[in-house]
Amino acid sequence: EAGVVQSPRYKIIEKKQPVAFWCNPISGHNTLYWYLQNLGQGPELLIRYENEEAVDDSQLPKDRFSAERLKGVDSTLKIQPAELGDSAVYLCASSLALHPGLPGGEQFFGPGTRLTVL
Amino acid sequence: DAKTTQPTSMDCAEGRAANLPCNHSTISGNEYVYWYRQIHSQGPQYIIHGLKNNETNEMASLIITEDRKSSTLILPHATLRDTAVYYCIGPEKSSGDKLTFGTGTRLAVRP
Repeated sequence: EAGVVQSPRYKIIEKKQPVAFWCNPISGHNTLYWYLQNLGQGPELLIRYENEEAVDDSQLPKDRFSAERLKGVDSTLKIQPAELGDSAVYLCASSLALHPGLPGGEQFFGPGTRLTVL
Repeated sequence: DAKTTQPTSMDCAEGRAANLPCNHSTISGNEYVYWYRQIHSQGPQYIIHGLKNNETNEMASLIITEDRKSSTLILPHATLRDTAVYYCIGPEKSSGDKLTFGTGTRLAVRP
């Protein structure tokens, strides 16, 4: 079974440029998550989707970040314009169930996209 | 914010049991405890979770104290590939059960 796929794995851009990350979750997983991970820190949730609906986007900086999951499968996360402080690893995860305590609630993570903003 | 506290780092010898503690003194009666780990340059990996009873799977065992204020993740026979950061997480129902990762415990398995 294929895991969570993310692309690109690495991205280097100059500040003020736009950037987009793509995620393909595990087949059949209705819940999709985007996390940000700074060096030496644990992942921080940016947004959580149940099918195509964003059920929790309270941590997403909406002035420059946007996300979509139009058909309830693949998702893209965009930053426009990027700032130096956006340099981090962006992780995508998926799960069968929305709530982690339910059967199927464990999250499966992709390898992440390492963004460097110069 | 995460409600759990873990040691910053630990080490153990290869082949020995690794016991990783976690304090979660403010956890509510219906909130689970989750453990994930993250090997260098990879995404986090789910290990195990529990509510009240001890749990065991093919990766590890989870021992939860009777008062639920702390737990221990046990890797019975640690290998070099178990070197990773281990996160103990207690999602808050008030925040919609989202997983809040802290800084975790960096486990180094020595040959």
